[in-house]
Amino acid sequence: DIVMTQSPLSLPVTPGEPASISCRSSQSLLHSNGYSYLDWYLQKPGQSPQLLIYLGSTRASGVPDRFSGSGSGTEFTLKISSVEAEDVGVYYCMEALRTPYTFGQGTKLEIK
Amino acid sequence: QVHLQESGPGLVKPSETLSLTCTVSNYSITNTYYWAWIRQSPEKGLEWIVSFYHGGNTYYSPSFKSRVTISVDTSKNQFSLNLSSVTAADTAIYYCVRWRQPPNYFDPWGQGTLVTVSS
Repeated sequence: DIVMTQSPLSLPVTPGEPASISCRSSQSLLHSNGYSYLDWYLQKPGQSPQLLIYLGSTRASGVPDRFSGSGSGTEFTLKISSVEAEDVGVYYCMEALRTPYTFGQGTKLEIK
Repeated sequence: QVHLQESGPGLVKPSETLSLTCTVSNYSITNTYYWAWIRQSPEKGLEWIVSFYHGGNTYYSPSFKSRVTISVDTSKNQFSLNLSSVTAADTAIYYCVRWRQPPNYFDPWGQGTLVTVSS
């Protein structure tokens, strides 16, 4: 199985400031088509996870452009350019290249 | 807009079978998407269990393969999960989800249902 490791696990952020979450995979998520199969999900308090980013850097429909994903191979980053109060929750990365699909431990973003 | 809703018993006894149903609205489960079950527990986090395509392939997590059965009721636009021989370690929130392949992502997710395994 591919192991997904996120850091930090806790991320206090002041509104308006940027935030960054790292995700590392134990194997390359780079497909022969040139895409890295890495998804980002956000689980807001009391809700189920929701898709933010797929293929490492493609924002899902309706996701604000303050969210961006980058990286390739085994190293990935989710950035929020200017954190808003509604961004609180737990962020998960997930490898989507091969089964069994596996998730990171989650990064809890909170507002300072 | 596609909507998924899980239903089933909230309490299951050890060694019995956990049975959950996912009702899909505004999209036919026989159309061109995979469907999946994922669970979440404090101990293990998010765990992918199984994905299937109606009339096509089913992919199982090795961790669950020996205990999982999937069934589909196209007349009700529902699919179901059976997980046999449950233990306390199977206590979790269970989500049904649509899997889009390619480009490989889970969206949308149902609201989830908590299943507790206890005597």
